[in-house]
Amino acid sequence: DSGVTQTPKHLITATGQRVTLRCSPRSGDLSVYWYQQSLDQGLQFLIQYYNGEERAKGNILERFSAQQFPDLHSELNLSSLELGDSALYFCASSVGLAGGNYNEQFFGPGTRLTVL
Amino acid sequence: AQSVAQPEDQVNVAEGNPLTVKCTYSVSGNPYLFWYVQYPNRGLQFLLKYITGDNLVKGSYGFEAEFNKSQTSFHLKKPSALVSDSALYFCAVRTGRGSTLGRLYFGRGTQLTVWP
Repeated sequence: DSGVTQTPKHLITATGQRVTLRCSPRSGDLSVYWYQQSLDQGLQFLIQYYNGEERAKGNILERFSAQQFPDLHSELNLSSLELGDSALYFCASSVGLAGGNYNEQFFGPGTRLTVL
Repeated sequence: AQSVAQPEDQVNVAEGNPLTVKCTYSVSGNPYLFWYVQYPNRGLQFLLKYITGDNLVKGSYGFEAEFNKSQTSFHLKKPSALVSDSALYFCAVRTGRGSTLGRLYFGRGTQLTVWP
């Protein structure tokens, strides 16, 4: 158990809908990262937050947004869902911003999103 | 641009034999290299990392990896494979600087199967 929790585990929804994925980082971790894992794209970085502020953006669609709250949990919002958004969405956390020798990322179990 | 290549989609090995899962990378600046393992319906588990220092890094579950700067490789190894090692293995790299600091770039993954 990494200490990173994600809810829900599974989500089934229809095209055009909006969903929210939730992540709680490990105790003490200030950085939260979101990744998408799909068969065709592999594991892709979406976005990073550090202590409530957005710090890096990857291949995140405009239909997707995220935020990190004062208690450090994070939410990933996916809207106007398309079939191609079906994937496993992972949250990860780390102690610091990124630098430092001990700053590996710890991953949650993921949320499997199925868009029908 | 940063990238990771895992040239083998699948690696099959008999229990008790040594195993190698290959990884090569391309990154600007000094690389920070990681191996993660993913079991079915689970999140990614951190195995080991190379930041600096000794080129041979030891990690969890008897795994080790060898960093080779001239060949830009970071192959994962284990002297004696177990059936329970069967899983999907990901190599990842991040940079130590710039706007992509903290973001992990993943390979496509290598499915390791250890047969009894």
